Amino acid sequence: EPEVTQTPSHQVTQMGQEVILHCVPISNHLYFYWYRQILGQKVEFLVSFYNNEISEKSEIFDDQFSVERPDGSNFTLKIRSTKLEDSAMYFCASQGQNNSPLHFGNGTRLTVT
Amino acid sequence: GQQLNQSPQSMFIQEGEDVSMNCTSSSIFNTWLWYKQEPGEGPVLLIALYKAGELTSNGRLTAQFGITRKDSFLNISASIPSDVGIYFCAGQLSFGNEKLTFGTGTRLTIIP
Repeated sequence: EPEVTQTPSHQVTQMGQEVILHCVPISNHLYFYWYRQILGQKVEFLVSFYNNEISEKSEIFDDQFSVERPDGSNFTLKIRSTKLEDSAMYFCASQGQNNSPLHFGNGTRLTVT
Repeated sequence: GQQLNQSPQSMFIQEGEDVSMNCTSSSIFNTWLWYKQEPGEGPVLLIALYKAGELTSNGRLTAQFGITRKDSFLNISASIPSDVGIYFCAGQLSFGNEKLTFGTGTRLTIIP
């Protein structure tokens, strides 16, 4: 079965550094998402992306965050200047046509020190 | 924003027992979903519900979309060790490609 693939599985970075999280969504999917989960807490929506633009973003997704689909297969999340509170699991998800289920990747654990 | 509260927060049950958990919302959702998350993995969809009052089964799992559109429950019958994990409900305001709002999760532990 096709999968959403995320790399790296674990990223450790120093506060203030830029970090890019990588995702390869399922190939014929059209809608792409990033969610995050702080340790022990619920999964929270960050941003949705369709037709090469952001369709919705949460209040968490401030100016430090950006997303890109640079080459038609990758979908990246960039955090410009990481803060300690950015430490979390970041999940990429993709979706095909309307009403089809969201498929999540296995996440990237980001640790900011 | 919308809040989804799940209860119980955690459950310790014997293998073979039935499990029941629920999810309540401060506002209406038009789609309810139940996901399971195992350590080191992303959420995996178990059941999707699209209509108020709908009762849907997936093997030993049964979920219902509450008639008020503000709640949903998930039952697992005859639990087995691989049912261990965290179960999240999630709501969508409409069909299609809206963001998901996740619940607070129910951690299920099974005692052999």
